[in-house]
Amino acid sequence: AQSVTQLGSHVSVSEGALVLLRCNYSSSVPPYLFWYVQYPNQGLQLLLKYTSAATLVKGINGFEAEFKKSETSFHLTKPSAHMSDAAEYFCAVIFATNKLIFGTGTLLAVQP
Amino acid sequence: ETGVTQSPTHLIKTRGQQVTLRCSSQSGHNTVSWYQQALGQGPQFIFQYYREEENGRGNFPPRFSGLQFPNYSSELNVNALELDDSALYLCASSFPDRDTGELFFGEGSRLTVL
Repeated sequence: AQSVTQLGSHVSVSEGALVLLRCNYSSSVPPYLFWYVQYPNQGLQLLLKYTSAATLVKGINGFEAEFKKSETSFHLTKPSAHMSDAAEYFCAVIFATNKLIFGTGTLLAVQP
Repeated sequence: ETGVTQSPTHLIKTRGQQVTLRCSSQSGHNTVSWYQQALGQGPQFIFQYYREEENGRGNFPPRFSGLQFPNYSSELNVNALELDDSALYLCASSFPDRDTGELFFGEGSRLTVL
């Protein structure tokens, strides 16, 4: 079955430190891949998306992700964390008919 | 461009009752998808409507039903509510004929079943 795995349900970094949130997907066919962010009591906001163009994708708020087919990964990074980055992050994949399959999420805490 | 709006934002029901949640899609979008997000979980796909027809369904029982109207707004109906139906219900709209799979989400309707 098609699935998305996010390693680490909670990640804590210091302000200014590198952010790395991991995502792996299961598929024999390269899918469309997305990262969404969810702030408390809000809906989901798109950070970035991979749609088979460049493998390094830049998104909003300084985030970027690299699609690695050989590793079936799409990890999210940001060079320097900011307090406002504290939120829950979801990796998602589309295989067909715009049905998004989400990972279980990673809650990012940023320490001052 | 008007974004996705959902109503109500919060509601409380008791077991066995029925609930209707509403969603207005983003201007120009013809597809609406509904997701259930239980506390501490990722969103789970319920179903999708494309041009007023159901176009895919997740692993949810028939008491979860939906509608899409000619203006592409949508309703999610849940009958015979159970405690486990307590969740944030997210609506997302899209235009798959043009866009590469991106969904635009509303703020959600938080349902509590007592």
